[in-house]
Amino acid sequence: EAGVTQFPSHSVIEKGQTVTLRCDPISGHDNLYWYRRVMGKEIKFLLHFVKESKQDESGMPNNRFLAERTGGTYSTLKVQPAELEDSGVYFCASSQSRSGYTFGSGTRLTVV
Amino acid sequence: GEDVEQSLFLSVREGDSSVINCTYTDSSSTYLYWYKQEPGAGLQLLTYIFSNMDMKQDQRLTVLLNKKDKHLSLRIADTQTGDSAIYFCAEIWGTPLVFGKGTRLSVIA
Repeated sequence: EAGVTQFPSHSVIEKGQTVTLRCDPISGHDNLYWYRRVMGKEIKFLLHFVKESKQDESGMPNNRFLAERTGGTYSTLKVQPAELEDSGVYFCASSQSRSGYTFGSGTRLTVV
Repeated sequence: GEDVEQSLFLSVREGDSSVINCTYTDSSSTYLYWYKQEPGAGLQLLTYIFSNMDMKQDQRLTVLLNKKDKHLSLRIADTQTGDSAIYFCAEIWGTPLVFGKGTRLSVIA
């Protein structure tokens, strides 16, 4: 079974630019989550999709972040315009149950 | 809101046991997890324990849960250099997972 795939693995962009991160969940997993770890801090929840619907987006930091999951398959997370404090590692996870979260390798975003 | 606390660093000698501790605040937690992150890799689920259990053992890993004190620990027996990584404690009641800051385990050969 293929795992959760994220790309790019690394992205370095200038402040003010736009970046789009992509997550391909495990096939058949209805739940898809985005998390973020800023340097040295906790891994924090951003949002949760159930199929194509946003179940919970309470962790999204501000309106510069836009997540989509068209068709209930892969998801994208766009940051526009990027700010320095957006730097961190963005993790995606998928699950069918609460005991079965599988995380991707993460995208390391650096905003300079 | 929920909070999960871990010590940030732990250093042990190869062959010794490692014990990583975690405290949490949400008494409604249903599952508690330990994840491992190796350099450049994603979060790997090591083990989890349901809140009505006190202990779970899986090969070299032993998880102890003291629900009264809201304390979770992960013991790694016979620690190897390949165990060097960041270990995250996480808990869940509804969704989402709430993580600690992670404990960086360094294994000295």
